[in-house]
Amino acid sequence: EVQLVQSGAEVKKPGESLKISCQASGYSFSTYWIGWVRQMPGKGLEWMGIIYPGDSDTRYSPSFQGQVTISADISTDTAFLHWTSLKASDTAIYYCATPYRSSVGLDYWGQGTLVTVSS
Amino acid sequence: EIVLTQSPATLSLSPGERATLSCRASQSVNIYLAWYQQKPGQVPRLLIYDASYRATGIPARFSGSGSGTDFNLTISSLEPDDFAVYYCQHRANWPLYTFGQGTKLDIK
Repeated sequence: EVQLVQSGAEVKKPGESLKISCQASGYSFSTYWIGWVRQMPGKGLEWMGIIYPGDSDTRYSPSFQGQVTISADISTDTAFLHWTSLKASDTAIYYCATPYRSSVGLDYWGQGTLVTVSS
Repeated sequence: EIVLTQSPATLSLSPGERATLSCRASQSVNIYLAWYQQKPGQVPRLLIYDASYRATGIPARFSGSGSGTDFNLTISSLEPDDFAVYYCQHRANWPLYTFGQGTKLDIK
């Protein structure tokens, strides 16, 4: 059974760094793209970027290029989303998701990680 | 960048009624379109991919149609569990994706 399990909720101050994770199981992690989606409070879904763990090919939505770093570790079947300097506007739920059966649809999602950035 | 515009923003219907949600792309996305359902406090769930194929476990009352720039998600007879927010999404610029802004389906 395909599962994506994300790390727990975080509370951080502006300017701090953060790395959240998404551990995959039940499939060959290195051979499927895995991406990240942001959902700000009360708002819609925003696509952030995606990585192919097998060769670390990473693509970012223009809105998120330079704002976050996506990475993956095939030894632990884990994808990561990293900020070097958080802002209050980064407060959101972050989901990892993979287009497993079809490249068009994201059919498996993590449970989400709530990141709260507040002074 | 291809923009997806969903309409209406809010749709108020009663259980048993038929719902038709629209998603329009600013340029052709072929059939590379998916639909998701999200209930409050829950993870989005894939309903439809490749414009018209139901994802695993999705009831037959959900159907998708369209190609190019105009797409619909139809729920043939609304059940109480169907009231949620629905998003369309394309992957025309593989492997990048874009979501529409969502349609909230409300109980009338």
